[in-house]
Amino acid sequence: AQSVTQLDSQVPVFEEAPVELRCNYSSSVSVYLFWYVQYPNQGLQLLLKYLSGSTLVKGINGFEAEFNKSQTSFHLRKPSVHISDTAEYFCAVSDRGGGAQKLVFGQGTRLTINP
Amino acid sequence: GAVVSQHPSWVICKSGTSVKIECRSLDFQATTMFWYRQFPKQSLMLMATSNEGSKATYEQGVEKDKFLINHASLTLSTLTVTSAHPEDSSFYICSARVRVGLAGGDTQYFGPGTRLTVL
Repeated sequence: AQSVTQLDSQVPVFEEAPVELRCNYSSSVSVYLFWYVQYPNQGLQLLLKYLSGSTLVKGINGFEAEFNKSQTSFHLRKPSVHISDTAEYFCAVSDRGGGAQKLVFGQGTRLTINP
Repeated sequence: GAVVSQHPSWVICKSGTSVKIECRSLDFQATTMFWYRQFPKQSLMLMATSNEGSKATYEQGVEKDKFLINHASLTLSTLTVTSAHPEDSSFYICSARVRVGLAGGDTQYFGPGTRLTVL
């Protein structure tokens, strides 16, 4: 079984500042890793995913994340945030097996951008 | 690409009635669809996994007779909340995925959600 821990429930930052949202996972098998963003009263939008290969993954809206196998982490970063980045961010994992590949989500991090 | 729609986006119903929520993959064939429930300020909780043409697999603690799931085609899954009560009020989100092994078969694409309020 997998589990995901998002270490910060809320992260306030000023506009144009850098941000890092932390995610650690636990799994006994190899996993795929995802970051999703949820704007108020909306579904989830895929930001980026790590499947294999380069450990630095670039996504939409200027976000990137780095997979660190030894630290079992997949932290999300953006060098300069905008007001429009205010949203809830979810880290998720799924196993690589041939089964249902269910997603296991973290509790979410609310990113608030202040002007 | 990979667009998933849900209908309705919100619904208000009286206690004891049934509500059907539709989830459609608009530009791809979804072999598998998932149904989630999200309470305010919380993460998503997987309710069930549905494969086209077969019965849904429910997560532990989810009443299959209360939350009826039908995945009749490769582009449509429905969730029916039967005899709804106020405690069923929540945000219901579906996701869809192509067959594992195909390009993109590793990623779930989410619908915009349906907010259910039971009076």
